[in-house]
Amino acid sequence: GENVEQHPSTLSVQEGDSAVIKCTYSDSASNYFPWYKQELGKGPQLIIDIRSNVGEKKDQRIAVTLNKTAKHFSLHITETQPEDSAVYFCAALLDDRGSTLGRLYFGRGTQLTVWP
Amino acid sequence: GAVVSQHPSWVICKSGTSVKIECRSLDFQATTMFWYRQFPKQSLMLMATSNEGSKATYEQGVEKDKFLINHASLTLSTLTVTSAHPEDSSFYICSASRLGQIRIDTQYFGPGTRLTVL
Repeated sequence: GENVEQHPSTLSVQEGDSAVIKCTYSDSASNYFPWYKQELGKGPQLIIDIRSNVGEKKDQRIAVTLNKTAKHFSLHITETQPEDSAVYFCAALLDDRGSTLGRLYFGRGTQLTVWP
Repeated sequence: GAVVSQHPSWVICKSGTSVKIECRSLDFQATTMFWYRQFPKQSLMLMATSNEGSKATYEQGVEKDKFLINHASLTLSTLTVTSAHPEDSSFYICSASRLGQIRIDTQYFGPGTRLTVL
């Protein structure tokens, strides 16, 4: 299977600063990497994703980079705001099920706190 | 678009009873639905994958007779926790992938169901 490592487990930043969360994966066959934001008591919300044929993707204040050679991908949030405070999960999709959809392997999560 | 709902949002039951949780894709047809459980301050653990009209595929260590999954239509999957015990107390989350031609497709998550077994 796949093993996804995520760092740091907690991250505190001042409002307006940037935040970076990094993940590594073990199986080079993984080909889809979504990031989810989870607020307390709620389900994960997809915030950005990247496929293995792309090196970088940006959506307003959020960007994701992928280095397939090194097998790592990162989430970058610029101009952070207090409402960005949440737990962020990275995931990797390993297509290991033949004719059916692959499964997502999640990192352990990063608790981001943005101080006003 | 791509909204997934769950019902109920929370449930409290007595030990030994069964609880059913519904997962619906509201504005799209879902080829595949996934069921996860999440303990406090931990990551999501995949329990099972279900495809419409076929038996669910359970992850290793998940008891299929205890966690019954029914994927009756392209918009509805249910998880029934049978003979629930306090250790089954957890946050249960479903996700759904759109019906499409490509195999790599985005999973959209429901809001979760908090189960507490007394």
